[in-house]
Amino acid sequence: DGGITQSPKYLFRKEGQNVTLSCEQNLNHDAMYWYRQDPGQGLRLIYYSQIVNDFQKGDIAEGYSVSREKKESFPLTVTSAQKNPTAFYLCASSIAGGYNTGELFFGEGSRLTVL
Amino acid sequence: AQSVTQLDSQVPVFEEAPVELRCNYSSSVSVYLFWYVQYPNQGLQLLLKYLSGSTLVKGINGFEAEFNKSQTSFHLRKPSVHISDTAEYFCAVSLLNTGNQFYFGTGTSLTVIP
Repeated sequence: DGGITQSPKYLFRKEGQNVTLSCEQNLNHDAMYWYRQDPGQGLRLIYYSQIVNDFQKGDIAEGYSVSREKKESFPLTVTSAQKNPTAFYLCASSIAGGYNTGELFFGEGSRLTVL
Repeated sequence: AQSVTQLDSQVPVFEEAPVELRCNYSSSVSVYLFWYVQYPNQGLQLLLKYLSGSTLVKGINGFEAEFNKSQTSFHLRKPSVHISDTAEYFCAVSLLNTGNQFYFGTGTSLTVIP
């Protein structure tokens, strides 16, 4: 079955450590996204990528980094510079290019807790 | 600037009663409209979407929504809710032909009371 796989589902980190969240999709989608979700704040865009080897900052990119070396993979690194990293992180993908249905497909999420 | 407003952060409703979750948006360009549902510790699932055509859109699990361009609204409705509908609901807009930019509301927590 096609879909988006995020790992790990739960992750604990000590302050000062970097951590990388994995996101893999087999939907053959060009565009991929990372969102952060906090209670009562909805989803906030961290980074997005419309094509391999290219990505753009979203609304809250500070303290995060991404790479897009392969079409199916879009890992997110939460660095020690991120002041409040404890949150639920969601990866998503969509068809990009000329035919835009607009629909986002989401992974199951990764919950990061900083101790 | 674009924005999405979900007017109610929490909506309690008794089982088998009707429910309406409200969503208003502002945008200077044409948009696509979506409702997503999120169960605890899971990702978001698409309930329904409006791209064009009929303003009344039917989705999964008996939900429907109506696009009202003059009021810039896209309210979600269900005539009779079940316990299993307890979840967080998000309204979202996507701007046409602008590189797949999405904007989400802050969510409405629906609690169905037995």
